[in-house]
Amino acid sequence: QQPVQSPQAVILREGEDAVINCSSSKALYSVHWYRQKHGEAPVFLMILLKGGEQKGHEKISASFNEKKQQSSLYLTASQLSYSGTYFCGTEASNSNSGYALNFGKGTSLLVTP
Amino acid sequence: DVKVTQSSRYLVKRTGEKVFLECVQDMDHENMFWYRQDPGLGLRLIYFSYDVKMKEKGDIPEGYSVSREKKERFSLILESASTNQTSMYLCASSLARGGSYNEQFFGPGTRLTVL
Repeated sequence: QQPVQSPQAVILREGEDAVINCSSSKALYSVHWYRQKHGEAPVFLMILLKGGEQKGHEKISASFNEKKQQSSLYLTASQLSYSGTYFCGTEASNSNSGYALNFGKGTSLLVTP
Repeated sequence: DVKVTQSSRYLVKRTGEKVFLECVQDMDHENMFWYRQDPGLGLRLIYFSYDVKMKEKGDIPEGYSVSREKKERFSLILESASTNQTSMYLCASSLARGGSYNEQFFGPGTRLTVL
């Protein structure tokens, strides 16, 4: 049930780009992306809905392949403030679990000077 | 801004104690959630509620119960705490499903240690 995230960890230099992937075995209604800095609560970044609607962060983009049940988060020209753990959360199309999300195990991102 | 608050940042309890974790949100959200977060396992859903007095089991409800008597408050109860319930507990809330409006807002978390 838990979506699979890859990579598990990535280290970047400031200014470099990164892609984080999220894959589910279930048909999805939506994919959420959150970032959690050390010692803090997860913070919403982006939501992608089946059908193409998106809402999210200005400097971060993402894609949602409905046929493959996959989403990717694109971090371009990374900044030191991008460091943290990124989680995807998925909501299945046929979910009888209300609006609950299944979260992946997270991708740890470290941006170095 | 949406605010989700949790009653304690750190809590230490003994095995067998009954433990109450409280969560309050101030944005009139219908949905509230309890997760536990463990290293390498991500966020796992314990229970959630989509209305007052309504509750649904998540992926790991064993050993936990919840209470939602008022819309803004969602409590997680450990009936008899055990050492394997030592974890970070996160509460979250969201509006009812409505297209792009069901993003979750998280509280700061309660780090529970059971001795």
